[in-house]
Amino acid sequence: AQSVTQLGSHVSVSEGALVLLRCNYSSSVPPYLFWYVQYPNQGLQLLLKYTSAATLVKGINGFEAEFKKSETSFHLTKPSAHMSDAAEYFCAVSDRGGNYKLTFGKGTLLTVNP
Amino acid sequence: EAQVTQNPRYLITVTGKKLTVTCSQNMNHEYMSWYRQDPGLGLRQIYYSMNVEVTDKGDVPEGYKVSRKEKRNFPLILESPSPNQTSLYFCASSTPGGLGYTFGSGTRLTVV
Repeated sequence: AQSVTQLGSHVSVSEGALVLLRCNYSSSVPPYLFWYVQYPNQGLQLLLKYTSAATLVKGINGFEAEFKKSETSFHLTKPSAHMSDAAEYFCAVSDRGGNYKLTFGKGTLLTVNP
Repeated sequence: EAQVTQNPRYLITVTGKKLTVTCSQNMNHEYMSWYRQDPGLGLRQIYYSMNVEVTDKGDVPEGYKVSRKEKRNFPLILESPSPNQTSLYFCASSTPGGLGYTFGSGTRLTVV
């Protein structure tokens, strides 16, 4: 069975600082991996996805994530936080094929301080 | 515009009163799914459908029903809602292989 662990339910950074949101996964087969962002009172927006091409994936709004098979990790980073990055972030994993189910982590709330 | 449309966006109802949350997609996706989001628990899958007339349970199906009579529509039915079904619900559809998920804007349901 797949699972996703997001370390830290709440991360707080200063504007301009590095953003690092951690995600570790457990999957019996090489997975597809996703990061989604949810702004207050809105739906889910895809930030980026890993589908076995390049291990360093670039997404929207300056975010990127690196797939590390040896560490079963897919951490999300952004070099310089903006106030507009304040949101909740979800890591998700999907088996290749199968029933396409997305298994989500519990989410990390990012706060950006001025 | 490619989208998944859910209705209603907000709903307050009483225990035991049957309700339906509609979901429609205009992308001709075969795969559709329902999730509920609860604080501290992330999103959990309720039901999914691989194609018309093909549905199956997700992780938390108790108290819910679905149907897939047409490719574009995937309604979520609560025949006897209870307060523990108060939650934020998302419908999603995807391209083959699960690589191209699109989520609806969500339905916030309160059962009193």
